[in-house]
Formats: sequence, structure tokens, C-alpha cells
Amino acid sequence: DAKTTQPNSMESNEEEPVHLPCNHSTISGTDYIHWYRQLPSQGPEYVIHGLTSNVNNRMASLAIAEDRKSSTLILHRATLRDAAVYYCIVGGATNKLIFGTGTLLAVQP
Amino acid sequence: NAGVTQTPKFRILKIGQSMTLQCTQDMNHNYMYWYRQDPGMGLKLIYYSVGAGITDKGEVPNGYNVSRSTTEDFPLRLELAAPSQTSVYFCASTLSSGAPTQYFGPGTRLTVL
Repeated sequence: DAKTTQPNSMESNEEEPVHLPCNHSTISGTDYIHWYRQLPSQGPEYVIHGLTSNVNNRMASLAIAEDRKSSTLILHRATLRDAAVYYCIVGGATNKLIFGTGTLLAVQP
Repeated sequence: NAGVTQTPKFRILKIGQSMTLQCTQDMNHNYMYWYRQDPGMGLKLIYYSVGAGITDKGEVPNGYNVSRSTTEDFPLRLELAAPSQTSVYFCASTLSSGAPTQYFGPGTRLTVL
């Protein structure tokens, strides 16, 4: 499974957009790009996933580079409830998710 | 639907004791997973199952056993508890390989003293 690289931490102000980057240079052609987040003392929660095209849902947007070697999770207006660890994961068959240490997002009021 | 449920929520074991962590899902998902999360770290896959009667090892299977006799249940067994197994354990499920979203349970916090 492909390895991902994310910044350890990021800060944002409430109601501002947040761009969380992820590098996955060894991604294979059939690997999906998944984003999960983990709020304090909870299990991970699905955020979004994509394969090649940019994706939008009610929680976030996912921008995927043309060569698929990097992606960016976009939270359009950060709220205090978005403070969490965000994991970028690339996965293939059987959906085995290999979690890294993720990006700790702090949101300031 | 209750989703993915795990019991117990907390447990303290002595070294050498054994226990089973229970995981049940009511979404008729074929794929189920067990992860552990050590403090300040990401989750590591212990075992997974792609259907009843089929299990396979993940990244860190040593010291654990699993079984999958029904679609709904995927228990994780610790035979001889060790302090290194102190962790938070998460169970997850997903419908199939074509459905990338995994649904996670609330976790079991295990301490081995």
C-alpha cells in the first residue's frame, strides 16, 4: 500500500477555509485516496474519497493533482467542531487502510 | 441501525490474562477490521475479514486471534495479555471492496498492568 506524507499540524481561524495537503508519490493506478478524521476520544470518521477527479460532498472537497501524486482536502469554512486529526490514506484491494500519524488541525475562534 | 458496536468500553487486565473484545455490525457489511491505536499514533491494522469464515493478518497480528463465524460478529481474542497491548482498539466495517467508506465503532480502551 502506498505511503502518505502530511504535515504534523496546522492552524486555522474559524470560518476561514483550510487546505490540508497530502503527498502520495507511490500511489498505484487503482488506489483510492481516502480522507478520514478523528475527533478527540472518538473513532475515525469518513470524510471523503476520490480516484482521479475532484470530489465534493457536504463535509469537504477533495482536489487531486493531475498526476495523482498529491491531493488536498479543503474545508470551506472551518468551525471549532472541525478540530481533529485528519488522515490521508491511499488504499487498494480489500480496503485495508494504512493510517499514518495524520495532521492535527487546530481551529482558533 | 446501531452501526458498529463494541464491548466493553474499558477494561483493565493483568499480565497473562486473556479476554475477547466484541464487535458487532448490523449493516450487513462483508468486510470487517480490527485496528489498535497507541497514544499519539495513527491506527494500525491487526486483522481483517472479507466475509464469514475468511480472515487475514494485517500489520500487527502478533498476540491476537480472530474468528468470523457470522457476517455480524468479528471478535478479537487476546490470549496472554502483555503491557505492550495497552491501547485503544477500534473495529470497523465496510460493505465491499467497491465501497471505500469504513464505519468505525467507538473503541475499547484496554490497559494491561
